[in-house]
This record gives sequence, C-alpha cells and structure tokens, in this order.
Amino acid sequence: AQSVTQLGSHVSVSEGALVLLRCNYSSSVPPYLFWYVQYPNQGLQLLLKYTSAATLVKGINGFEAEFKKSETSFHLTKPSAHMSDAAEYFCAVSNLGQNFVFGPGTRLSVLP
Amino acid sequence: EAQVTQNPRYLITVTGKKLTVTCSQNMNHEYMSWYRQDPGLGLRQIYYSMNVEVTDKGDVPEGYKVSRKEKRNFPLILESPSPNQTSLYFCASSLGPSGPESRYFGPGTRLLVL
Repeated sequence: AQSVTQLGSHVSVSEGALVLLRCNYSSSVPPYLFWYVQYPNQGLQLLLKYTSAATLVKGINGFEAEFKKSETSFHLTKPSAHMSDAAEYFCAVSNLGQNFVFGPGTRLSVLP
Repeated sequence: EAQVTQNPRYLITVTGKKLTVTCSQNMNHEYMSWYRQDPGLGLRQIYYSMNVEVTDKGDVPEGYKVSRKEKRNFPLILESPSPNQTSLYFCASSLGPSGPESRYFGPGTRLLVL
C-alpha cells in the first residue's frame, strides 16, 4: 500500500527566506506525486505534479519540487517566501490502479 | 470555467436532522469523491463514485450516504447527523480514480452539528 509522510505539521519562515516542505512517499510501483495548497477558507488547488517526465517540476506561484527516487522524496521549495504563501500544503501520491493518498499536511506560516 | 461547486458553504444543524450537501462538476469527470478534513487527521475519504450508479465506501463511511444518478452530481447525505460529524467537507472530481490525473476540489462545506 502506498503512503505519504510530511515532516513537520507546522513550518515557520521569515518573509524572503527559503521555503522547504518535506514529503516522503512509499509506493511499490512508480508513483505520480502531487502538491496541493489550501488557503484559509478555500478548497485545495493543485500546485504541481510529477508524472514521470522531468524530475524537477515547476508549479504555480514560484514553487517547484524535485522527485528523488533514491530518497523516495518529493520536497517542495520556493526560493523566497511571500506573506501570501501562508497556507496548508498537502503532498499526495497515486499510481495506476490504486487510490489517491494524501499526507497529513504542513501548515506554513510566513513571518514579517 | 472548470469547477466543482458545493452547497451550502456553511451549515449549522441539530442532531438527527437529515441534511444533504450538494456537489456538482462541469468537467465531465467520471470519478467523484467526498472527503472530510479534521485538525490533525488530514483528509479522509468518505465515499467515492467511479461512474453513474457506481459508488463505494472510502475510509470513513459510517453515518453517510451518497448517490450518483447523474454524472455531474454527487450529493452527500447525512440521514441522522451527530456532533462527531462536525467537520469541513470537500467534494472532488477527476477523470479517473488514480494515476496521473489531478483531483479538482470544491470550496468546502463547513458543518456544525449541535
């Protein structure tokens, strides 16, 4: 069975600092990986996804993530945090024939 | 605009009073599902539907019902709500249940059961 772990339920960074949100997955077959963002009082929206093409994936709002098979990781990064990035971020894994599995989420706070 | 809509967005009710949360998508997606989101527990799937008239239980189906009479609609029914069903609910749709297809989420319905 596949699973997702996100290290750190809450991450705080200063405005302008690097954002790094960690995601590790477990899957017996090649995975598809997703990052979703949930702004306050809103639904989840797709930030980016990995579908076995390039291992470095660029998404919306300056975010990117790198698929590292050897580390079973798909960490999300952004070079410079903005106040508007404050939200909850979910990593998810899927593969053919199995359901979508979400991680527990990481709440990102951006300090002025 | 491609979207998933839910109604109502906010709902306060009392224990035992039946309620329905509607969900509709305009992307001709075959797969639809319901999640609940609770602090510290993340997103948990309640029910899903692979196509019209095909529904199945997710991880936390107790106390909920669904129906899929039309491809675009997937209502969530609470026959006799209880306080432990107070939660934030999301409807989602996608082309298929798994693989590279993204899930599209509605804006959420915040339910309080007194």
